[in-house]
Amino acid sequence: AQSVTQLDSHVSVSEGTPVLLRCNYSSSYSPSLFWYVQHPNKGLQLLLKYTSAATLVKGINGFEAEFKKSETSFHLTKPSAHMSDAAEYFCVVSRGNNNDMRFGAGTRLTVKP
Amino acid sequence: DTGVSQDPRHKITKRGQNVTFRCDPISEHNRLYWYRQTLGQGPEFLTYFQNEAQLEKSRLLSDRFSAERPKGSFSTLEIQRTEQGDSAMYLCASSLVRGINTEAFFGQGTRLTVV
Repeated sequence: AQSVTQLDSHVSVSEGTPVLLRCNYSSSYSPSLFWYVQHPNKGLQLLLKYTSAATLVKGINGFEAEFKKSETSFHLTKPSAHMSDAAEYFCVVSRGNNNDMRFGAGTRLTVKP
Repeated sequence: DTGVSQDPRHKITKRGQNVTFRCDPISEHNRLYWYRQTLGQGPEFLTYFQNEAQLEKSRLLSDRFSAERPKGSFSTLEIQRTEQGDSAMYLCASSLVRGINTEAFFGQGTRLTVV
């Protein structure tokens, strides 16, 4: 069985300040982990993915995530938030090859000017 | 635009009616997935195809739901005798499976409202 828990349903930051979106996973397998972003009225877009290579993964738009097996975490970070980052973010775990991807409930990121 | 197309984008139907949605994946992609997303929740896996074979179905996919991918290209998802609880966004995704380094591309979804 596999699942993810996104620890915050809503995060609010000021423009230019760091972003931290937290995700913990549970998996019976060596997991593949992903972060997707969903802007209003747009499809889900892949930000980054971890597939057992480097534990620090760099994604698009300045986002990064670090896989920590000991903590079963895969938190998403960005040094400086931009207004365009406001969206819903989903942490996802799968068994690899996108089999049966399990999404978290999502974290809504608000960026204040 | 990810290259995955879903039709229609919106569907309003009366309870008890049947509805069918279509998904056109990225042309060379061999895997196709269906997800359902309700308000305030993350997408939930329904089923997936490897080419034309349906390899896995979630317990969420009741007997009223059926999905096909007849020629390994486009896919349809049919819901029979719709219920108000079926109201959701239905998402399709596709990927080209080669090793473990794959990415699933999502369509914009079909929003179903059952009244």
